[in-house]
Amino acid sequence: NAGVTQTPKFQVLKTGQSMTLQCAQDMNHEYMSWYRQDPGMGLRLIHYSVGAGITDQGEVPNGYNVSRSTTEDFPLRLLSAAPSQTSVYFCASSYRDRGRETQYFGPGTRLLVL
Amino acid sequence: AQSVTQPDIHITVSEGASLELRCNYSYGATPYLFWYVQSPGQGLQLLLKYFSGDTLVQGIKGFEAEFKRSQSSFNLRKPSVHWSDAAEYFCAVGAGYGGATNKLIFGTGTLLAVQP
Repeated sequence: NAGVTQTPKFQVLKTGQSMTLQCAQDMNHEYMSWYRQDPGMGLRLIHYSVGAGITDQGEVPNGYNVSRSTTEDFPLRLLSAAPSQTSVYFCASSYRDRGRETQYFGPGTRLLVL
Repeated sequence: AQSVTQPDIHITVSEGASLELRCNYSYGATPYLFWYVQSPGQGLQLLLKYFSGDTLVQGIKGFEAEFKRSQSSFNLRKPSVHWSDAAEYFCAVGAGYGGATNKLIFGTGTLLAVQP
């Protein structure tokens, strides 16, 4: 198993550009999440999904869209990038376990918005 | 609402010395707790987790953590630190419905430096 994979590893955008961060997992996990990591702030939840077709907002959802059409993929869309979205983005997945899920993280995508 | 505090932003220890990283949580019921480690430029790796049962939890790489309800703490320990342990360490608590761990709240992290 490749686990959780993320592409691209690095990206530079200009303000106002759009892009999609890709996340895929091959473990048949029901749950997937997106976090952003900023210095001195730890990781904060952006959006999460408990299964195909089901998504919900996390702590910092503004400026981001998600969809979950398959179990394997959970892309994160930035519709109009802003410098405040400069961050490291992590995708995570877990199998359903009655509220005791263990999340496994991908390697991250570093995004710089100029 | 759940929260996690890691009071130490940066810690330096000598190789071979013991280590304790502090984590305090805020949650009314029994929390589900995690410690993750992040090496420079890498993703997060799970060190250990606490769901219930024995309050002393063993993890990978020789780490352990002790859940203390009376102190709302889940401190991470290692008896003898190796240079390869230099990394950033994050404590997290389940933040879903009823403390479920499909959503996590993270602390701000503790950066560990190891002196030779």
